[in-house]
Amino acid sequence: AQKVTQAQTEISVVEKEDVTLDCVYETRDTTYYLFWYKQPPSGELVFLIRRNSFDEQNEISGRYSWNFQKSTSSFNFTITASQVVDSAVYFCALSESPGTASKLTFGTGTRLQVTL
Amino acid sequence: DTEVTQTPKHLVMGMTNKKSLKCEQHMGHRAMYWYKQKAKKPPELMFVYSYEKLSINESVPSRFSPECPNSSLLNLHLHALQPEDSALYLCASSQDSWNTGELFFGEGSRLTVL
Repeated sequence: AQKVTQAQTEISVVEKEDVTLDCVYETRDTTYYLFWYKQPPSGELVFLIRRNSFDEQNEISGRYSWNFQKSTSSFNFTITASQVVDSAVYFCALSESPGTASKLTFGTGTRLQVTL
Repeated sequence: DTEVTQTPKHLVMGMTNKKSLKCEQHMGHRAMYWYKQKAKKPPELMFVYSYEKLSINESVPSRFSPECPNSSLLNLHLHALQPEDSALYLCASSQDSWNTGELFFGEGSRLTVL
């Protein structure tokens, strides 16, 4: 069975600090997809990134970066120079391989609070 | 602004009421989803529609009845709910259910059952 673990329940940082959100996953599939979603107070989940299991390249998008390490089954997310608008709940998620319905297994989420 | 629109944003209903949640997308997506999210918990998949046909029902009680009238619309009919059904109900869509691409979520309908 698939499982996603986000050990950090809540993180508080002061604006401009860097913060890393951890994600560890378990799956028996050889082909799988990992995602990060942001859920601001308004409720909708906002897609941030998708990474497939064959692509271990790290990715940077502005202040966001992701570190995918298959050897440790981790897909960590770093926000550089955090801002108040980054305050949200962040979910890491895992999806089964193509050919089946897109069923996301979500982690329990990490609530990030960025203060001035 | 989200491209998946859900109405109503808030709904309060009694246990004997019948109500419906609505979801609409105009991105040409052929897969639509209902998720349920309790406070401080991750979303849980309820139903998946693929090309307007129900493809996944995650053992959801029959008091929740989904409907997909066309590729742009998804409804969730509610009847004889229990207070523990109070939650945020999120609709999502994707290009199709076979391509493991991103899901686009609406802002949700917050349901309170009295």
